Amino acid sequence: DIQMTQSPASLSASLGETVTIECLASEDIYSNLAWYQQKPGKSPQLLIYYANSLNDGVPSRFSGSGSGTQYSLKINSLQSEDVSIYFCQQNYDSPRTFGGGTKLELK
Amino acid sequence: QVQLKESGPGLVQPSQTLSLTCTVSGFSLTSYHVSWVRQPPGKGLEWMGVIWTGGSTAYNSLLKSRLSISRDISKSQVFLKMNSLQTEDTATYYCARERTIAAIFDYWGQGVMVTVSS
Repeated sequence: DIQMTQSPASLSASLGETVTIECLASEDIYSNLAWYQQKPGKSPQLLIYYANSLNDGVPSRFSGSGSGTQYSLKINSLQSEDVSIYFCQQNYDSPRTFGGGTKLELK
Repeated sequence: QVQLKESGPGLVQPSQTLSLTCTVSGFSLTSYHVSWVRQPPGKGLEWMGVIWTGGSTAYNSLLKSRLSISRDISKSQVFLKMNSLQTEDTATYYCARERTIAAIFDYWGQGVMVTVSS
């Protein structure tokens, strides 16, 4: 199975700040990488797919990048509603596997 | 609009079988795959299995011996059955629509919390 390692596990940032979350795959996943946002008590929601394609309705302050085994999610100008847990997921091979999550809090 | 809703018992006894239903609307089960994903309290996401548009299935190898996914197209329902439940199976269980071109989960149900306890 492809292992997905996210860092950091938790992150504290101020409003308006830019934050970056990293995701490392155990092998090349050829940009088959999605990011999900899970707000407290809610189900995950798709943010980004194919590493850098923004899902419909997702604010443009979110962006994704990366290739090969290394990927990142960037949030510009952090807003209070961005407080969530963020997960990466590889969809290159079965079983689909997720990263352990990054908990983003406000400082 | 697209909706998925899980239903099932909130409490299951150890060694018993879990049965969950995912009722979908706004799309056809012959046009999109549906996966089950679970999340233990305070932990990450684990993909359990998928039922493809054609009706065949694929499972996480860690759960394959205990898991079965099926569907009723006429009722727009997908079913999950997992036997020999243990306390470590305590989790929120989600069904999620999966795009056919890639295993991307673009819509999720609200989830159902299942506790395994005597």
